[in-house]
Amino acid sequence: AQSVTQLDSHVSVSEGTPVLLRCNYSSSYSPSLFWYVQHPNKGLQLLLKYTSAATLVKGINGFEAEFKKSETSFHLTKPSAHMSDAAEYFCVVTPYNAGNMLTFGGGTRLMVKP
Amino acid sequence: DGGITQSPKYLFRKEGQNVTLSCEQNLNHDAMYWYRQDPGQGLRLIYYSQIVNDFQKGDIAEGYSVSREKKESFPLTVTSAQKNPTAFYLCASRGVWSTGELFFGEGSRLTVL
Repeated sequence: AQSVTQLDSHVSVSEGTPVLLRCNYSSSYSPSLFWYVQHPNKGLQLLLKYTSAATLVKGINGFEAEFKKSETSFHLTKPSAHMSDAAEYFCVVTPYNAGNMLTFGGGTRLMVKP
Repeated sequence: DGGITQSPKYLFRKEGQNVTLSCEQNLNHDAMYWYRQDPGQGLRLIYYSQIVNDFQKGDIAEGYSVSREKKESFPLTVTSAQKNPTAFYLCASRGVWSTGELFFGEGSRLTVL
């Protein structure tokens, strides 16, 4: 069994300040973890993925995430928010290389204030 | 460019009508998926297919049907049996050798009048 909890449904930051979106997971298997971003009325785009290699993963648009097995966390961070980062973010877990068992978190809406 | 194309982007339907949402991919991916997204919620799996002429129910398959006659195509029919069909529908695909990541289409928004 597996599950994903995104700890904040909404996060608001000012432009130029750091972003932290939190994700905790549980999995009976060695997991693969993903962060996706969704802009309004659009599909999801992959930001980054962890697949049992380096625990600090760098993605597109300056985002990164750290896999912490002891804390069962995979938080998404960015040093400096940009207005274009305003979107919905989804954390996703799946057993390694078993793409049919993806479990999505409920999503975090990131708002960026000027 | 390779990708997934969903159509139509917006669709309005009267109660009691069946509608079919199109999903086409040119990524040569074996697996294809349909998800439903409601406001403020995550994605819920409707159906998925790992190979042509085969598909499996997801978590919320009732009131929906699919076919997979070609590798490139995975249409979803929302039948009149679906009690609350107004939602945003997302199609996705995955390569068999991938590490699990999905490629998504732009979505189709269905509104029942």
